[in-house]
Amino acid sequence: LAKTTQPISMDSYEGQEVNITCSHNNIATNDYITWYQQFPSQGPRFIIQGYKTKVTNEVASLFIPADRKSSTLSLPRVSLSDTAVYYCLVGDIRGLTGGGNKLTFGTGTQLKVEL
Amino acid sequence: EAGVAQSPRYKIIEKRQSVAFWCNPISGHATLYWYQQILGQGPKLLIQFQNNGVVDDSQLPKDRFSAERLKGVDSTLKIQPAKLEDSAVYLCASSLAGGLAGTDTQYFGPGTRLTVL
Repeated sequence: LAKTTQPISMDSYEGQEVNITCSHNNIATNDYITWYQQFPSQGPRFIIQGYKTKVTNEVASLFIPADRKSSTLSLPRVSLSDTAVYYCLVGDIRGLTGGGNKLTFGTGTQLKVEL
Repeated sequence: EAGVAQSPRYKIIEKRQSVAFWCNPISGHATLYWYQQILGQGPKLLIQFQNNGVVDDSQLPKDRFSAERLKGVDSTLKIQPAKLEDSAVYLCASSLAGGLAGTDTQYFGPGTRLTVL
């Protein structure tokens, strides 16, 4: 298993940038890193995915250092609606047949955004 | 585009009873996943299907849990007999390519909340 570690909670204010880090020391060569957002009583929702370096889309950026043992999700200018639990998911999307780690979610980071 | 559908949304049973959950993935998605999410924890992968074949079921408690995906579309997850510790949300997800590439996006359904008394 690709053991993942995240901060339990983070607090921020509207308009600030939030960075959430996930540690995954035993990441395998074939593993990808994906971040999900989850609201109460809903399934997780895809935010961003990457393998190395930096990935950016319309809602977030993902920074992955060269050793890939951690990753940082960056949310620019958060709003109240960004209050949710954020999970990193590490593993080989192809499952055990791909040779990497099985898909493993982190414990999640509860982000609370206030005015 | 319709999302991943799951039913029922809620289920309450007594221990030692059996229960089944149903999932209809997004049309055309080859890969289907079942996760168990216990309150306060991240989802744990139970089983992953590629079309109607099993890719990974290493964390499925096979003495009581079973899953099938007939014809590579819908899937059912069954628990028989249920234990108190099975109380959780059972999430179904699907993805387009799955085994064909290392990168893929999973789309999750709303989940079924199971309470075992």
